Amino acid sequence: GAGVSQSPRYKVAKRGQDVALRCDPISGHVSLFWYQQALGQGPEFLTYFQNEAQLDKSGLPSDRFFAERPEGSVSTLKIQRTQQEDSAVYLCASSLDGTGFAGNTIYFGEGSWLTVV
Amino acid sequence: QKEVEQNSGPLSVPEGAIASLNCTYSDRVSQSFFWYRQYSGKSPELIMSIYSNGDKEDGRFTAQLNKASQYVSLLIRDSQPSDSATYLCAVNIEGDMRFGAGTRLTVKP
Repeated sequence: GAGVSQSPRYKVAKRGQDVALRCDPISGHVSLFWYQQALGQGPEFLTYFQNEAQLDKSGLPSDRFFAERPEGSVSTLKIQRTQQEDSAVYLCASSLDGTGFAGNTIYFGEGSWLTVV
Repeated sequence: QKEVEQNSGPLSVPEGAIASLNCTYSDRVSQSFFWYRQYSGKSPELIMSIYSNGDKEDGRFTAQLNKASQYVSLLIRDSQPSDSATYLCAVNIEGDMRFGAGTRLTVKP
């Protein structure tokens, strides 16, 4: 696609409910990132995929958070038993490659705004 | 210590002035550095990238990198009210992109 697409754009969940957030990266992009951004803060790294391999999940705040990218394209971030502190914008981003060198520009989706009530 | 540190601001400059935004990072193996602009309620958008020591200019924007000091900055010349946003410094650390908390800039007409 032309850009990174995320859905849903807005989600209100009751505390304890499970949610699933979807990310469709730019076609052909190898790397995919998930970030959590609280109001007034910068994006906090959650996890990173190269193709279907989850190379780093050190930023996931608890075992209630789970991410997958089974076919190396679309990714899903799942949050189980949501808590109020999970309320944030969840940003997905992709880049053409993940080598870490010049050209590894990442492009963001519009985000999924999660509110847990 | 956070991997990427920025002064959270807010930074306020008058229209036409130079805005200077600073960022330090902790990981010496970092190879690539980025500045993103984020308007309120929107996702970050890339405005500058820099990979080697020195200055890189793009229109009104100049990025400066000093790897020895682990420091990267962004200068905005002739600041406009439309430049008012949060500016995020990002550092590529072995494939992972890590962000600072952002500096909020206000350009007053």
